[in-house]
Amino acid sequence: AQTVTQSQPEMSVQEAETVTLSCTYDTSESDYYLFWYKQPPSRQMILVIRQEAYKQQNATENRFSVNFQKAAKSFSLKISDSQLGDAAMYFCAYRDYTSGTYKYIFGTGTRLKVLA
Amino acid sequence: EPEVTQTPSHQVTQMGQEVILRCVPISNHLYFYWYRQILGQKVEFLVSFYNNEISEKSEIFDDQFSVERPDGSNFTLKIRSTKLEDSAMYFCASSDVPPFTTPSSYEQYFGPGTRLTVT
Repeated sequence: AQTVTQSQPEMSVQEAETVTLSCTYDTSESDYYLFWYKQPPSRQMILVIRQEAYKQQNATENRFSVNFQKAAKSFSLKISDSQLGDAAMYFCAYRDYTSGTYKYIFGTGTRLKVLA
Repeated sequence: EPEVTQTPSHQVTQMGQEVILRCVPISNHLYFYWYRQILGQKVEFLVSFYNNEISEKSEIFDDQFSVERPDGSNFTLKIRSTKLEDSAMYFCASSDVPPFTTPSSYEQYFGPGTRLTVT
């Protein structure tokens, strides 16, 4: 079964600095999608960035970028120029397609604290 | 931008009562999902629904749970006899069935969640 592991329960970063959140996953599929979601205190799930496995190029969305290492099954999120509003829980997710339907498998999350 | 909406935002109920959580998916989407997040834990898949039937369900989705699309816009999750351990955030999501594959094909759009508190 596919699994998603986030080994950092909590991370801290100084405002304006860069932080990297780690995620590893396990799958036997060759084509799939990976996502990072942000969950602020309101608990709404906000899509930060997506990566298609067959694309070699790492996805980038403004200050957010990923380091996707397919062979290592690693999918880390880099946040540059961290802002106070980036403080939230961050979940890594794998889009699974077993049983003929898509479903998301989430990691346990990393709580990011941004220090002023 | 179209979005998934959920009502109520917070529901408090007594143990043993029935609750219905409501979701309005994005209008042209055909796949619908429910996920659950117990406080402090990860988001877990409950059920997917397509063409008026359940396409997949998790072990969590036992006989006390049911889903329905009662009309052309709403998608509901019913919990028949709530237990204390049902207290959680419940997220609805929907995705499209595009005529051709794009980077966002089948991507699930999440609603803001309903916080269910069972006392």
